[in-house]
Amino acid sequence: DAGVTQSPTHLIKTRGQQVTLRCSPKSGHDTVSWYQQALGQGPQFIFQYYEEEERQRGNFPDRFSGHQFPNYSSELNVNALLLGDSALYLCASSKRNEQFFGPGTRLTVL
Amino acid sequence: DQQVKQNSPSLSVQEGRISILNCDYTNSMFDYFLWYKKYPAEGPTFLISISSIKDKNEDGRFTVFLNKSAKHLSLHIVPSQPGDSAVYFCAATSAYSGTYKYIFGTGTRLKVLA
Repeated sequence: DAGVTQSPTHLIKTRGQQVTLRCSPKSGHDTVSWYQQALGQGPQFIFQYYEEEERQRGNFPDRFSGHQFPNYSSELNVNALLLGDSALYLCASSKRNEQFFGPGTRLTVL
Repeated sequence: DQQVKQNSPSLSVQEGRISILNCDYTNSMFDYFLWYKKYPAEGPTFLISISSIKDKNEDGRFTVFLNKSAKHLSLHIVPSQPGDSAVYFCAATSAYSGTYKYIFGTGTRLKVLA
């Protein structure tokens, strides 16, 4: 049973560029959440997708957007990248209350 | 506004002894709590959870205690093993009131000494 997978594992972008990160949930899970983890911090909730709709959003600007596909996989898009967007981006999938995390995508903005 | 706090950034424990990791929260709407373990270059791994209707949940070497009146939870690891060395995060959510976001603490780095 494959767990949560994310791609790519690492990414380097420059300020102002756009990035798309991808996530495939654990088998049987229908809900995908995205988190940003800065160095030395806990994961910060960006948003959650369920039934292809954004169900809840954290305190992140509109530059952060997402999508969920009919097979429950999801994308996180970040526009107009800033240096402060450099972080580990984690995807978590769930069916009920326990969220299971992928290995993350390390984004570096130069 | 840090609604979930882990005030000890690090903890060292001798192998075989008990590790106690603490977490405090401020939001009384939180009703479901989880502990995750994170190794470098990996995503957090779910360890154990507890609902607010309980005050204790046990799974093997891991036990979570919840004190609702103090808004405090703790994770006990007995006996501690070197492989337990990792960063531990507590997280909270309002699962039964329809809020889906998890709020994480800043983590406690546990080092188990052989």
